[in-house]
Parts: sequence; structure tokens; C-alpha cells
Amino acid sequence: EAGVAQSPRYKIIEKRQSVAFWCNPISGHATLYWYQQILGQGPKLLIQFQNNGVVDDSQLPKDRFSAERLKGVDSTLKIQPAKLEDSAVYLCASSLDQRGLYGNTIYFGEGSWLTVV
Amino acid sequence: AQSVAQPEDQVNVAEGNPLTVKCTYSVSGNPYLFWYVQYPNRGLQFLLKYITGDNLVKGSYGFEAEFNKSQTSFHLKKPSALVSDSALYFCAVRDKRDDKIIFGKGTRLHILP
Repeated sequence: EAGVAQSPRYKIIEKRQSVAFWCNPISGHATLYWYQQILGQGPKLLIQFQNNGVVDDSQLPKDRFSAERLKGVDSTLKIQPAKLEDSAVYLCASSLDQRGLYGNTIYFGEGSWLTVV
Repeated sequence: AQSVAQPEDQVNVAEGNPLTVKCTYSVSGNPYLFWYVQYPNRGLQFLLKYITGDNLVKGSYGFEAEFNKSQTSFHLKKPSALVSDSALYFCAVRDKRDDKIIFGKGTRLHILP
């Protein structure tokens, strides 16, 4: 079974530029997550989708971050304009999570490493 | 609100000795509990989880964890540490009443040869 795919793996941009990350979850997984992991810290949830609807985006900085999951499969996370403090690893994850069943394992991709200079 | 605490930033263990990485949690309802491992420049890899049933859960690479409801803990253990176990370990909790999952800040495990 293929895992969660993410691209690009590494990106270096200047502040105020834009960047987009792509994620393809495990086939059949209803829930997709984007996490931000700053060096030395645990992952912080940015946004959670159930199919193509947003479940939780309370910690997404909506003035500069946006995410979509068209057709309930792939997802894109965009940052525009980037700030120095956005330097982090952006982890995409997915879980099977049919409605009401939340004990399923969350599987992570390898991450997209962003450096803003 | 749910929370999870990993009280140790770093744990050092000699190879061959038993290891324990501590995790305590707080949820309003009953928890789902998870352990993940992260190697350098990699994503998080699932190790094990507690959903219900037996309090002792066995997972990948010889790791196990014990759910203790009275102490609200879910410590990760391994009887004999390997140098290759050196990595960053994350505990996570999910409240059964909703679908939000919270991660701890992580514990760096160093296994000394």
C-alpha cells in the first residue's frame, strides 16, 4: 500500500514570496491533515479535512495560509506571503476515519521542509 | 480541553538496558493514545496505539506501552534498547468524543553504545 505522498521535499524561498505544497493521501482515507512542525517542537495542526470539508482550521493563519482539498483526495497548502517564522516542516497525514470512528491510525508523509530567508 | 505532556526533553539509556519514555494526558472523555517515532529528516512513523481492551499494547520494533487510567499515563517501554532506537518520540492523544488529536512536544531518546 502506498503511503502519504508529499512534494516538494525541500523548498527555500525569500520572505514575502509564495510557496505551495501538495499532498496525496493514502487511497480511501477520508481525513487529511496538515501539520506544521517547527524544529524541536511537536506537530501543530493547521487544518483538518473530512473528505472535502474543513473540520478544523482554528490554528491556520488565514491571512497568509490557505488550503484546499478538491474532490476529497489531493490537497494543496499555500503560503503567501511567507515570513521568516514560517520556516518549518509541513507534514501531511491521513486516516481512514469513517464518520464516528476516530480510533484509526494517522499516517504521515515524509514532510516538506521550508526555509524562508 | 485535551492535552498531552512529555516531561522529559531527553532520555539517555545504555544499549541493552530497558528504556521508558513518559507520557501523561488529559481528556474529558475516554482517550485514544498513540506513540510515533521520528528519525532525522523523516516524517512521523506510527509505533503503537491504545484504543480499548488490554492495557498493555505491543507495537513495532519491540516497543510496548501501558495504559494507566488512574495515573492518566501511557509510557513507552522497551526491554532492551538498541542504538538504532535513537530518535525523537511523540505521544499523542485523541478524545473519543471528537476527532481532534494533540501531540506532545517530543522526547529525544539517546541510546549510548
